[in-house]
Amino acid sequence: GIQVEQSPPDLILQEGANSTLRCNFSDSVNNLQWFHQNPWGQLINLFYIPSGTKQNGRLSATTVATERYSLLYISSSQTTDSGVYFCVVSGAGSYQLTFGKGTKLSVIP
Amino acid sequence: DGGITQSPKYLFRKEGQNVTLSCEQNLNHDAMYWYRQDPGQGLRLIYYSQIVNDFQKGDIAEGYSVSREKKESFPLTVTSAQKNPTAFYLCASRLGAQGPPNYGYTFGSGTRLTVV
Repeated sequence: GIQVEQSPPDLILQEGANSTLRCNFSDSVNNLQWFHQNPWGQLINLFYIPSGTKQNGRLSATTVATERYSLLYISSSQTTDSGVYFCVVSGAGSYQLTFGKGTKLSVIP
Repeated sequence: DGGITQSPKYLFRKEGQNVTLSCEQNLNHDAMYWYRQDPGQGLRLIYYSQIVNDFQKGDIAEGYSVSREKKESFPLTVTSAQKNPTAFYLCASRLGAQGPPNYGYTFGSGTRLTVV
């Protein structure tokens, strides 16, 4: 199956700092999403981005499908950004999702 | 509003008991999934279902069972055969494996199961 690697595994930021989270995947995908899991366990969809670039407020994401990686940018981080960020993919014609192990982000005031 | 509802939010189980976690969606999604999350780890697939009356094992299906009698519902039973059931369980759904570019997965808010 598809392998997904996320880096870094842990990240501590001062409030207001910027960061880049990376997701590498081992095969072609037809679905790639970035999720934020808040401290209560809820998974919130940030981006559906199997290719290209999207922006939503302070967050943006870029997926380069031919090179099998995706990046999530967080600018001007806030304490509410804390939590775990997951990169999730599925292959062509597949119903199965593969999760990375996540990046745990802690934003301190 | 459409979405996925998981219940209960917290569940305590005695050793040797079976318990059933509920997952209901009103999104008219075809595919539904159950995932397990352990502290400090990503999510692992337990079972998934593409259509009614059909389901497949995921990576860690042992000790679990599911049914898909209705499109909207995909309950998960944690049986006494599951040796280490304490975990956070997430249900998800998706319209289909193929679809318009903005289709993706929707997750419920999860059930935290603790064995006492």
